[in-house]
Amino acid sequence: AQSVTQLGSHVSVSEGALVLLRCNYSSSVPPYLFWYVQYPNQGLQLLLKYTSAATLVKGINGFEAEFKKSETSFHLTKPSAHMSDAAEYFCAVSAPGDYKLSFGAGTTVTVRA
Amino acid sequence: EADIYQTPRYLVIGTGKKITLECSQTMGHDKMYWYQQDPGMELHLIHYSYGVNSTEKGDLSSESTVSRIRTEHFPLTLESARPSHTSQYLCASSLGANGYTFGSGTRLTVV
Repeated sequence: AQSVTQLGSHVSVSEGALVLLRCNYSSSVPPYLFWYVQYPNQGLQLLLKYTSAATLVKGINGFEAEFKKSETSFHLTKPSAHMSDAAEYFCAVSAPGDYKLSFGAGTTVTVRA
Repeated sequence: EADIYQTPRYLVIGTGKKITLECSQTMGHDKMYWYQQDPGMELHLIHYSYGVNSTEKGDLSSESTVSRIRTEHFPLTLESARPSHTSQYLCASSLGANGYTFGSGTRLTVV
């Protein structure tokens, strides 16, 4: 079975500072990994995905994530936070061929002016 | 522009009522899903479908039922709503391993 753990339920950053959201996965097979963002009163939007190609994945809105097999991690980063990045972020995992996603508990990001 | 639509967005209903949450997608995706989301918690899969006339229960036990008579439509029904059903319900669809497209959700409150 696949699962993810997001470290830190809340992250607060200053505008212009680095955003780092941590995600560790557990999987018996090489996983597919995803990051989603959810703005208030909306559904989830796909930020980026790793499906066994390049380990450094670039997504929308300036976000990127690096797949590190040795650390079983898929941390999300953005070099410079913007006020519009305030949202909840979810890491998710699936096994190849199994289309169901397992989600982490989410990390809420607040951006200070 | 959303390609997957959920109605209603908000619903407040009394205990014991029957409700149907609608979900439709225009992308031709063969796979559709229902997740339940509570504040501060991970999303829990309650139902999924990999095609017409195919439905399965997810990881989280739910008293709701679903149907998939048409590719684009995946409604969720609660025969008798209870306060414990109060939650946000998210519908999603996918094609292959490209990740999900989510609807905006239905926030259900049972009083």
